[in-house]
Amino acid sequence: GAVVSQHPSWVICKSGTSVKIECRSLDFQATTMFWYRQFPKQSLMLMATSNEGSKATYEQGVEKDKFLINHASLTLSTLTVTSAHPEDSSFYICSAYTGQGGTGELFFGEGSRLTVL
Amino acid sequence: DAKTTQPTSMDCAEGRAANLPCNHSTISGNEYVYWYRQIHSQGPQYIIHGLKNNETNEMASLIITEDRKSSTLILPHATLRDTAVYYCIVRPRLTGNQFYFGTGTSLTVIP
Repeated sequence: GAVVSQHPSWVICKSGTSVKIECRSLDFQATTMFWYRQFPKQSLMLMATSNEGSKATYEQGVEKDKFLINHASLTLSTLTVTSAHPEDSSFYICSAYTGQGGTGELFFGEGSRLTVL
Repeated sequence: DAKTTQPTSMDCAEGRAANLPCNHSTISGNEYVYWYRQIHSQGPQYIIHGLKNNETNEMASLIITEDRKSSTLILPHATLRDTAVYYCIVRPRLTGNQFYFGTGTSLTVIP
């Protein structure tokens, strides 16, 4: 299957700093990528849809100024958690969709675990 | 929003078939049913998807009822490595390619 890579796998930062997480599709071009957040023992929550060359679409309740998304190319999307606080500590997962309509598959990165001290 | 209902947890004996049910009674005519699984602290892994017909691949089989209101994922010979949370997802028709995850079923394969 298609490969989606995230970096870093884990990061620890101080409260008030910003953290950038990269998501790359290694063997296919992804016009659309998605960012999810997952708290312990909970399901994945869709945060935003990242569209190449345009602004991201955020889900209700997700602060766009807090979670900056940039989809600079067909193989790279970045999520920046700005002024991180301990409550932002979570598992962040990106994904990329390979198809058109309903026929494609969604491939996920390995996830990035953020811990804010 | 998730449009599926799954049991919270299930056990299965190693080597036996694992049958994971999913209810999606409000599914629309052209919405697909997808199954993913997530092993602890990893990104979800694609398993299978279908529209109307039953589907089979090297990982699993997907049985969709004729009225499409429910489906069952079948792992024919469960192994310990199949222990994971399994998510059944109905892909929204009108809002693009977004995938919304429900609570999933935590499958434990017992030796």
